[in-house]
Amino acid sequence: GENVEQHPSTLSVQEGDSAVIKCTYSDSASNYFPWYKQELGKRPQLIIDIRSNVGEKKDQRIAVTLNKTAKHFSLHITETQPEDSAVYFCAASRGNTGFQKLVFGTGTRLLVSP
Amino acid sequence: DVKVTQSSRYLVKRTGEKVFLECVQDMDHENMFWYRQDPGLGLRLIYFSYDVKMKEKGDIPEGYSVSREKKERFSLILESASTNQTSMYLCASSFYGDGYTFGSGTRLTVV
Repeated sequence: GENVEQHPSTLSVQEGDSAVIKCTYSDSASNYFPWYKQELGKRPQLIIDIRSNVGEKKDQRIAVTLNKTAKHFSLHITETQPEDSAVYFCAASRGNTGFQKLVFGTGTRLLVSP
Repeated sequence: DVKVTQSSRYLVKRTGEKVFLECVQDMDHENMFWYRQDPGLGLRLIYFSYDVKMKEKGDIPEGYSVSREKKERFSLILESASTNQTSMYLCASSFYGDGYTFGSGTRLTVV
């Protein structure tokens, strides 16, 4: 089955710096890659996702890149702010007929210091 | 605003008790999931369901069962609670091909 590895487990940056979180997946048939942000005491929330027919996707200060050949994808946050501090999870799934069963990475705790 | 509601935010149960965790979604989603979240281990899938009365085992189903009698409701059952089932339990739902919407979670402590 699918296995998703995520690095680093913790990441500390200064406000205004960029942050990059990387994930690798094992199943070459995976075609959907979402990222979730979980603030302390709150539910994980989808912040951006990418499908295998696209190499990059941006939404304001966040972007995700996908390298299908290497089977890895990354989350990029530019101009980080203290409110970006949270745990971020990547995930991957293979949805053939539409059913998506996500396999999650172990999470990255991002701390943005003012 | 779409919602996934978990009936309890915090629960404390005794070893050996039968525990029910309830999840209700109002989005008419076909798919529903139960994950447990533990530090350093991320989110691990316990069970999922893609239709009423249908259920499939996830990666860590041992000690758990589920019930989905209605489309909007997905229940997780701990047949005989043990201390190693102390965890945060997250319910989620999705429409085909989309990302998940999570509930707020139930923090279960088994003593």
